[in-house]
Amino acid sequence: DAGITQSPRHKVTETGTPVTLRCHQTENHRYMYWYRQDPGHGLRLIHYSYGVKDTDKGEVSDGYSVSRSKTEDFLLTLESATSSQTSVYFCAIGYDTDTQYFGPGTRLTVL
Amino acid sequence: DAKTTQPPSMDCAEGRAANLPCNHSTISGNEYVYWYRQIHSQGPQYIIHGLKNNETNEMASLIITEDRKSSTLILPHATLRDTAVYYCIVRVRNYGQNFVFGPGTRLSVLP
Repeated sequence: DAGITQSPRHKVTETGTPVTLRCHQTENHRYMYWYRQDPGHGLRLIHYSYGVKDTDKGEVSDGYSVSRSKTEDFLLTLESATSSQTSVYFCAIGYDTDTQYFGPGTRLTVL
Repeated sequence: DAKTTQPPSMDCAEGRAANLPCNHSTISGNEYVYWYRQIHSQGPQYIIHGLKNNETNEMASLIITEDRKSSTLILPHATLRDTAVYYCIVRVRNYGQNFVFGPGTRLSVLP
């Protein structure tokens, strides 16, 4: 939907290992976002980008970093994964400040 | 300090209109009302948004009261595929302003 793909769709990893999630869009939208969704917390914003190499922190950015070297790709990196980062991660895109369109999600399990 | 209040669950007969209410009594003058839905294990899907006028698109209608303290999302002819959690969100139009998804309303469309 809305030309957004996320990879991988599922990942199981061990505590302490680095993990990178990729969000790819074909819509040439300026804005891209990373959220996590956990039971009882709804969706929470991790980081967002308002252009190539322009990123900023969201509500729950600790333990996460992002990079955007091309318009179409927004990478989320967990430098050293912890069990508290087990979650479903959603990427979203938007062409203006208005509506955000979400990807299919990545289910990450940190053992 | 939730900005919106929605009933936790609702049922609707297939083919009938589904009317989902949302209270946002503390809404500010520059805040919009957005509706998203999330079908199990999928990413949130944009439905509609508005400021103060009623809005309609191919998916739904949004009715906002004159004082803007509440709104209703109307799915005119609900189908089984409309079974989902529906989120009412109030936010300003700012790319750095994330969408805060509360618990939403779980709509069950019954055959």
